[in-house]
Amino acid sequence: SYELTQPSSVSVSPGQTARITCSGDVLAKKYARWFQQKPGQAPVLVIYKDSERPSGIPERFSGSSSGTTVTLTISGAQVEDEADYYCYSAADNNLVFGGGTKLTVL
Amino acid sequence: EVQLVESGGVVVQPGGSLRLSCAASGFTFDDYAMHWVRQAPGKGLEWVSLISWDGGSTYYADSVKGRFTISRDNSKNSLYLQMNSLRAEDTALYYCARVNSGYDDAFDIWGQGTMVTVSS
Repeated sequence: SYELTQPSSVSVSPGQTARITCSGDVLAKKYARWFQQKPGQAPVLVIYKDSERPSGIPERFSGSSSGTTVTLTISGAQVEDEADYYCYSAADNNLVFGGGTKLTVL
Repeated sequence: EVQLVESGGVVVQPGGSLRLSCAASGFTFDDYAMHWVRQAPGKGLEWVSLISWDGGSTYYADSVKGRFTISRDNSKNSLYLQMNSLRAEDTALYYCARVNSGYDDAFDIWGQGTMVTVSS
């Protein structure tokens, strides 16, 4: 089975750049997606196909990929970006999520 | 407005059965594959099941294979999850989510979830 590994937490001050990584062998062959989830809310797609941004997502959200690691970057993080972030990918008609990263912006 | 609304979550005893529903509105339901994803209290997301746009193909996580059945009724714009032989570890908030091929088959719309609690 596939696994995706994320740091459990990342902390930045407002205006700084936040970087959240997601690692797993499947990422060398398959694209990653990123979700943002705020407490009590449904997840929101912020990045797909490693680095593409859905309509309506602020430009400060970006994604990149290198080998078996993908990175979500939030440039100039804002207080409202504080949330849990999950990566996920798909292979062999199975989907696997990373364990999630709690981003603190304060 | 594009919307997914889950229902059917309750408290059920171990070994029991339950059927969850997901009502879709604001879009052409049978244009989209659909998933169920769950989240145990205080835990991360776990994929449960996928169904193709026409119901012809279904896939399951190993943790639910043989116990859960995903289905859909496109005439009613509805998605279902039949859950049998429920276990304590199935306790979670269950989300339905839409697959968008324009976003490389990523989930672009999620419901608010329905809570299933398996407890005696």
